[in-house]
Amino acid sequence: NAGVTQTPKFQVLKTGQSMTLQCAQDMNHNSMYWYRQDPGMGLRLIYYSASEGTTDKGEVPNGYNVSRLNKREFSLRLESAAPSQTSVYFCASSERGGSGDTQYFGPGTRLTVL
Amino acid sequence: AQSVAQPEDQVNVAEGNPLTVKCTYSVSGNPYLFWYVQYPNRGLQFLLKYITGDNLVKGSYGFEAEFNKSQTSFHLKKPSALVSDSALYFCAVRDGVKLIFGTGTRLQVFP
Repeated sequence: NAGVTQTPKFQVLKTGQSMTLQCAQDMNHNSMYWYRQDPGMGLRLIYYSASEGTTDKGEVPNGYNVSRLNKREFSLRLESAAPSQTSVYFCASSERGGSGDTQYFGPGTRLTVL
Repeated sequence: AQSVAQPEDQVNVAEGNPLTVKCTYSVSGNPYLFWYVQYPNRGLQFLLKYITGDNLVKGSYGFEAEFNKSQTSFHLKKPSALVSDSALYFCAVRDGVKLIFGTGTRLQVFP
C-alpha cells in the first residue's frame, strides 16, 4: 500500500515549456487535490476533484489545468510555465471529501522554472 | 472566511522536555481542525484532527492537541520531546473541500 505517489520528484523547466505532474493513489479514495507550497505561505489549493469525472478550481488555478484520468489518477498540467510557478507541488486524496475527512499527501514535486 | 494562525515561526525545546506548538483559529460554524508534520524534503504526514467530542485529541507519535473553544485555540503538545520530532508543523482548518493551512512552525529539539 503505497498511499499517494507523485512523479517526477524534481523538475527544471524553462519559461514557456509545458509539463504534466502525475499523481496516483491506491486507497480507493474518491476525492483528490493539488496544492502548491511556497515559503512562508503554507499550502494553497490549486484544483480538486471531488469524485471521478469532476474537477473544480481552488484558490490559485491560473496557469494550470487538471485531468482526473480515473479514480486512482489525477494529473496537473502547466501549459506554459512561468517563474512564478516555481514551487513544491503536493497531491492529496481523501475518502469522501467531507469536512471531517483526512487528506493524505504525496511526497511532492519540486519544480523550478527558469 | 476560515483561517488559522501559528504565531511562532520557530520553537526550540530540549530533548525530554514538554513541547507546545500553538495554533489559533477563526471559523464560522463548527471547526474541523488538523495537525500535519513535514520532515525535510518529504510530504505532509497527518498527526491528528478534531471533529467533535473530547477536547483532548490523541494522535500519532505520542502527540496530542487540546481544543479550546473559548480561546479559539488548538495547540499541539507532547509530554517529552525527541530529537527526531524536529520538523515543520502545520495547523489547518477545513473550509469546504479545501484545507486552509497556517504558515508553519519549525520545531527544533536539542539533545
